[in-house]
Amino acid sequence: AAGVIQSPRHLIKEKRETATLKCYPIPRHDTVYWYQQGPGQDPQFLISFYEKMQSDKGSIPDRFSAQQFSDYHSELNMSSLELGDSALYFCASSPLGGRDSPLHFGNGTRLTVT
Amino acid sequence: TQLLEQSPQFLSIQEGENLTVYCNSSSVFSSLQWYRQEPGEGPVLLVTVVTGGEVKKLKRLTFQFGDARKDSSLHITAAQPGDTGLYLCAGAPKNNNDMRFGAGTRLTVKP
Repeated sequence: AAGVIQSPRHLIKEKRETATLKCYPIPRHDTVYWYQQGPGQDPQFLISFYEKMQSDKGSIPDRFSAQQFSDYHSELNMSSLELGDSALYFCASSPLGGRDSPLHFGNGTRLTVT
Repeated sequence: TQLLEQSPQFLSIQEGENLTVYCNSSSVFSSLQWYRQEPGEGPVLLVTVVTGGEVKKLKRLTFQFGDARKDSSLHITAAQPGDTGLYLCAGAPKNNNDMRFGAGTRLTVKP
C-alpha cells in the first residue's frame, strides 16, 4: 500500500540558508500535518492543512511557512535557518478531516544546520 | 506545559517482565491514540481508543481508555526485545482538531 512520501530524507544546510521539505500524502487523505522532532523529544506539532486550507498552527516559527497544493502534496519552507532548527521533520496524513483518525507518518526528513 | 503527560519517561526491563505506561491529561479527548516509534522512523499507529472505559488488546499489548476520557494506559505482558521503542500517546482535545503528542515513554527490553 502507498505510504506517505517525504523528500529529501537528509538535508544539510548552513545557518541563514533556506530549505524546502516536501510531503506526498497517502492518496485520498485530505489532511496533512507537519511535526518537528528534536533528539530525544516527542513530535512537536507545527502546522496542518485540511483540503488545501490551513487548519491549525502550532509552534511553527515565523521563519517557516507551509502550503498544500492542488494535488494535496505539501511543502514546508524554512528560511533564515538556525542551528536549533536541526531536527527530524515528519509529515503525516490522515483521512476524513483528521480528527480521531489515525495519522500515517512518513519516514521524515533529517535536517542538519551547520 | 505538555497537554498529554506520559509516565514513566524511561523504562528499562528484562525480557519476560510486564510493564504499564500511562498517559494523562486534564483535558477530555474524544479518542486517544498510541503510537510506537523506532529510531529514525516515523511513529506507527498501534491503536485508537474511543469509548470511555474501553479496553483493546493487540496480542501482548492491552490498551485502556479512562472512564472520563482524560487518560489511557498501555500494558505489555511478557515484554520482548522487539518491544523496544518510543511509545507515544496522542489525541486531539475537544477545542481543536489537531493531534498533539505526549512526551513519550522510551522502553528498553533487555534479552
